[in-house]
Amino acid sequence: NAGVTQTPKFQVLKTGQSMTLQCAQDMNHEYMSWYRQDPGMGLRLIHYSVGAGITDQGEVPNGYNVSRSTTEDFPLRLLSAAPSQTSVYFCASSYARDSSKGANSPLHFGNGTRLTVT
Amino acid sequence: KNEVEQSPQNLTAQEGEFITINCSYSVGISALHWLQQHPGGGIVSLFMLSSGKKKHGRLIATINIQEKHSSLHITASHPRDSAVYICAVTETSGSRLTFGEGTQLTVNP
Repeated sequence: NAGVTQTPKFQVLKTGQSMTLQCAQDMNHEYMSWYRQDPGMGLRLIHYSVGAGITDQGEVPNGYNVSRSTTEDFPLRLLSAAPSQTSVYFCASSYARDSSKGANSPLHFGNGTRLTVT
Repeated sequence: KNEVEQSPQNLTAQEGEFITINCSYSVGISALHWLQQHPGGGIVSLFMLSSGKKKHGRLIATINIQEKHSSLHITASHPRDSAVYICAVTETSGSRLTFGEGTQLTVNP
């Protein structure tokens, strides 16, 4: 049982490049989410999903795409990287009691991806 | 004003001291989470609670729904408790979690 696996741990991109951050969980969690963590701002929700085939925008979705084709995987795509996307990114998952209350059980976090865009 | 406010932002204590970190929120919630982030960056869930009090080892979390306030207490603090402690709430209006900015705790030997 690996929990939440997030890759890569570190990434440096040039402005305009695209990339995908991978997130996989083996706990059969319905709810998966992506956050970015910036100094002095706390964790902010980018996108989330309450089940396969269902995604929704969070607080800061611009410049990011997600898909949820399986229960296990929830990749985050940066379409055209910008310096403002330099941040630490976390993926998290949990069980959901029902699809309308996505994060009402303890969260399990990946180890984070430190992304620098130059 | 943030929907989730933590205090203090920074806290330094001596080993053995009793520590309290506070979290106030301004929205209706279905649950409140306390998380711990160590210097290496990993985030671990400590508690999820919607009423009353929970205890795990030296950590105690309480919540007062009427006052929209929660506290995290650490008894007999130890240098290994040094970390950032984050409060987060699940709003009743939807599936989102809203996070506080975190409290940086340093426990000196």
